[in-house]
Amino acid sequence: GESVGLHLPTLSVQEGDNSIINCAYSNSASDYFIWYKQESGKGPQFIIDIRSNMDKRQGQRVTVLLNKTVKHLSLQIAATQPGDSAVYFCAETSTSYDKVIFGPGTSLSVIP
Amino acid sequence: DSGVTQTPKHLITATGQRVTLRCSPRSGDLSVYWYQQSLDQGLQFLIQYYNGEERAKGNILERFSAQQFPDLHSELNLSSLELGDSALYFCASSALSGYGEQFFGPGTRLTVL
Repeated sequence: GESVGLHLPTLSVQEGDNSIINCAYSNSASDYFIWYKQESGKGPQFIIDIRSNMDKRQGQRVTVLLNKTVKHLSLQIAATQPGDSAVYFCAETSTSYDKVIFGPGTSLSVIP
Repeated sequence: DSGVTQTPKHLITATGQRVTLRCSPRSGDLSVYWYQQSLDQGLQFLIQYYNGEERAKGNILERFSAQQFPDLHSELNLSSLELGDSALYFCASSALSGYGEQFFGPGTRLTVL
């Protein structure tokens, strides 16, 4: 399938440190990218998005970086807090094919 | 609370049966998306409707079908159920099609025995 969920990468960070979550997207035609956060027992929640005409976009404590050359997306979380513990998914889509493709997800664990 | 509602919250059924999952999008949202989340396949896009019409299709099996009604609520029908169909099924809605924030519902957990 387009989204492989067999092995969930995990990242453990100390509270207060910065977190970087990486994602390799699959389709060079994708022109819109989204990061979602999913807490245990809940549906995914939108964090931040970026269009392909941008390299960087900042939100509150979060920054998304896009490198189209190597089809790489990253999510940076500043001053990570225990409430940031969750699974983070990147997603890609394009008006040329409409469907949304999700990455496998990364589990972030914040150590108090 | 995202504003998207899904019913039922849990569903337990047997192989070969048919079930219907229901989704009510956020007020004003025209797009509805269906996703399946299982342990071995991750989060998979199934299908999208926009204002009553099918807009995009993902990894949706032929045994599955969906529709969006004039009041914009949507139903996902799963038939001839197999053990492997056990998963969380999420509905999401957005104001536009394709771009923009999607708001996810709490999901329906389907267990096929």
